[in-house]
Amino acid sequence: EIVLTQSPATLSLSPGERATLSCRASQSVSSYLAWFQQRPGQAPRLLIYDASNRATGVPARFSGSGSGTDFTLTISSLEPEDFAVYYCQQRSNWPLTFGGGTKVEIK
Amino acid sequence: EVQLVESGGDLVQPGGSLRLSCVASGFMFTDYSMNWVRQAPGKGLEWVSYISSSSANIFFGDSVKGRFIISRDNAKSSLYLQMTSLRVEDTAVYYCARVSRATGTLDYWGQGTLVTVSS
Repeated sequence: EIVLTQSPATLSLSPGERATLSCRASQSVSSYLAWFQQRPGQAPRLLIYDASNRATGVPARFSGSGSGTDFTLTISSLEPEDFAVYYCQQRSNWPLTFGGGTKVEIK
Repeated sequence: EVQLVESGGDLVQPGGSLRLSCVASGFMFTDYSMNWVRQAPGKGLEWVSYISSSSANIFFGDSVKGRFIISRDNAKSSLYLQMTSLRVEDTAVYYCARVSRATGTLDYWGQGTLVTVSS
């Protein structure tokens, strides 16, 4: 099973600041990595697929990068609605696995 | 508009059984693979099971293998999860999620249904 480790667990930032979230895989997942956003009480929402492609309707302030084992989700300037939990997920190998999540909270 | 609506969540005793349903609309359900993903209270996401569009390929996570069965009825645009031998640690919100044909990613999710296993 591929283990995804997200860091930091919590990120405390102010609106307008830049957020950088990390996801590290225990073995290569090529570019088969996605990022999801989950707001309280809501279902996860797809943000980024295949490491760097924004899903339909996702604002341009969200960007993804990386390949192999190291990936980054960047939010260039935080909006109030961006304070949420973010998960990475790999589809390179079964079982599908998710990272433990990074909570982006208001400082 | 793509919609996935789960139902069937309930309070059940350890060792009991439950069947979850997910009704799809707004797309050609027959053409899409589907998954169940769960989230224990206050915890992260855990993939549970996958079924291909024709039901030819089915996979389970180790924690539910041998206890859960995934199935679908394409005529009814419905996905199911039959859960047996339920344990306290199966307590979670269960989401159904569609696999994008273009990207292979979980592109649409339902709002989830809560399963509570407790005596």
